[in-house]
Amino acid sequence: QVRLKESGPRLVQPSQTLSVTCTVSGFSVTSYHVSWVRQPPGKGLEWVGAIWKGGSTDYNSALKSRLSISRDTSKNQVFLKMNSLQTDDTGTYYCAKLTTEGIAFDYWGQGVMVTVSS
Amino acid sequence: DIVLTQSPALAVSLGQRATISCRASQSVSTSSYNLMHWYQQKPGQQPKLLIYDASNLASSIPARFSGSGSGTDFTLTINPVQADDIATYYCQQSRELPLTFGSGTKLEIK
Repeated sequence: QVRLKESGPRLVQPSQTLSVTCTVSGFSVTSYHVSWVRQPPGKGLEWVGAIWKGGSTDYNSALKSRLSISRDTSKNQVFLKMNSLQTDDTGTYYCAKLTTEGIAFDYWGQGVMVTVSS
Repeated sequence: DIVLTQSPALAVSLGQRATISCRASQSVSTSSYNLMHWYQQKPGQQPKLLIYDASNLASSIPARFSGSGSGTDFTLTINPVQADDIATYYCQQSRELPLTFGSGTKLEIK
């Protein structure tokens, strides 16, 4: 049974760093791609970045300078780190598994709502 | 970046057909695949994959959902619409990075 679960702080101060962990079960992060998607309150979905099953990464160019995605294959976890947070980074951060062909998001975590505020 | 355009909202009567469209700023099809996917998101929930590669029904999704299209024009059809289908529907392309989503179409009951 495929599951993804995000964990991380609910409140981050402006200019600080956000760290979110995605713990997966039911598949290996070395066999399937994992991606991050975020959603500001009341707004649409925005692709943040992905770590491919081979370990390489790609990022949304608008966030690339502040973003890092990595993984721990022994723990089957994927990590998102975003620095210099601003209030418009507030939103729900989801991790999702990608299909190998076609690159659709076939399984999603429940998300973690992050508020950037002092 | 490939921009996906969706209408903001659609009102349909229960039991009728809902047709939700998504237009891409450039083709998202290859010689083998139509790289457009559809998701349903209910308030307070994560998105759920409905259709992948334009017309393939995802696992456990009822057959009243269907998808079609190629190139730049794609459609998600729900027939017949049920009360449980009230949600926002997003299209997403994977033809090239960055992966992009449409702005969503909110399905309402007339």
